[in-house]
Amino acid sequence: GQNIDQPTEMTATEGAIVQINCTYQTSGFNGLFWYQQHAGEAPTFLSYNVLDGLEEKGRFSSFLSRSKGYSYLLLKELQMKDSASYLCAVRNGPGNNRKLIWGLGTSLAVNP
Amino acid sequence: DSGVTQTPKHLITATGQRVTLRCSPRSGDLSVYWYQQSLDQGLQFLIQYYNGEERAKGNILERFSAQQFPDLHSELNLSSLELGDSALYFCASSVGIENTEAFFGQGTRLTVV
Repeated sequence: GQNIDQPTEMTATEGAIVQINCTYQTSGFNGLFWYQQHAGEAPTFLSYNVLDGLEEKGRFSSFLSRSKGYSYLLLKELQMKDSASYLCAVRNGPGNNRKLIWGLGTSLAVNP
Repeated sequence: DSGVTQTPKHLITATGQRVTLRCSPRSGDLSVYWYQQSLDQGLQFLIQYYNGEERAKGNILERFSAQQFPDLHSELNLSSLELGDSALYFCASSVGIENTEAFFGQGTRLTVV
């Protein structure tokens, strides 16, 4: 079957670094996405990985290991505004029916 | 502002009724995706249209249907509504068939009473 696991909640301190893990089991893997969603708002795109390795974009980095079915999102120099839910999503399926399967999200609380 | 417009923002209706949710994608985007988000199930992919044609289908109920019009706006029709259909419905759009980055609208919060 298809399954995406990520921790339900995490807490971190302003200015610190936090790593949010995501493990997945899927067939026909075609990319992994991270989105940020503030409460009551729309998800916004953070990163996309399709090959193994680290993608860095400012304070945010995302890592993928396809052989391990594993990704993480690394947030550096945490700010209060980073308090949000972080959604891991995997794209899979045959070429004519690819879709995103979403994890339930990790709710991150950044404390002063 | 993502550039994706969804109307209405809120909708309250009774069980058994039918509603239509509307989505206008970003200018230039040909793909439109519909998602349902509830507290216990997270984001669930419903359906994707690309340039007017159905492209991919998720766990969309038979009571639900969608279409994309020639001007690329899309509508999601929900019929025979049940209490369990209460959720946030998001529309997203992207330029191509396979989104490496999709832009989400602010959602329509549907409450079925």
